[in-house]
Amino acid sequence: AAGVIQSPRHLIKEKRETATLKCYPIPRHDTVYWYQQGPGQDPQFLISFYEKMQSDKGSIPDRFSAQQFSDYHSELNMSSLELGDSALYFCASSSYQGDRNREAFFGQGTRLTVV
Amino acid sequence: DQQVKQNSPSLSVQEGRISILNCDYTNSMFDYFLWYKKYPAEGPTFLISISSIKDKNEDGRFTVFLNKSAKHLSLHIVPSQPGDSAVYFCAASGGGADGLTFGKGTHLIIQP
Repeated sequence: AAGVIQSPRHLIKEKRETATLKCYPIPRHDTVYWYQQGPGQDPQFLISFYEKMQSDKGSIPDRFSAQQFSDYHSELNMSSLELGDSALYFCASSSYQGDRNREAFFGQGTRLTVV
Repeated sequence: DQQVKQNSPSLSVQEGRISILNCDYTNSMFDYFLWYKKYPAEGPTFLISISSIKDKNEDGRFTVFLNKSAKHLSLHIVPSQPGDSAVYFCAASGGGADGLTFGKGTHLIIQP
């Protein structure tokens, strides 16, 4: 079965540079979530999109932005990168059922290293 | 302020025995709870979930119990197998929020 695809798997950037992470959700999933997991930490919710509109916002810095496109893939844009942005970035997708989303399925993540 | 707490960073269990992973939460708005399993260098994999209107959900070797009054849930794995060795995350959602709130995870080690 098709899973959530994230690219790239690994990314190394210098401080103050920009980075773009891509996420391709499971087919027919209409909701995408982005999470950030620092070393030894639990995944922290950043932002989510439902039907191409931002639906919820978590602890996403102002330097980051994201969008969901007409084909439902999503991109997380990160500018003015800082050393503390080094983390695993996960994308997850789910399907809206009734009045709420159900289980979110995660991609393998993008490991961003800022040097 | 950790709203979902997994107080055991690690747990070691013998193969064939029962593994019990615990999770506590503080936000009474949470109404849906999930367990994810994570191997190194991979994304979390969904295991099992439970709605707050239930107190038990079972799927094969995995059973999740929810005690709403105590704001506590647990994941039971019976019998434990070597492939179960991984980090297990408890997660919760509710209150109109989309995103999941995760605990810090418990590293389960199944010993032969």
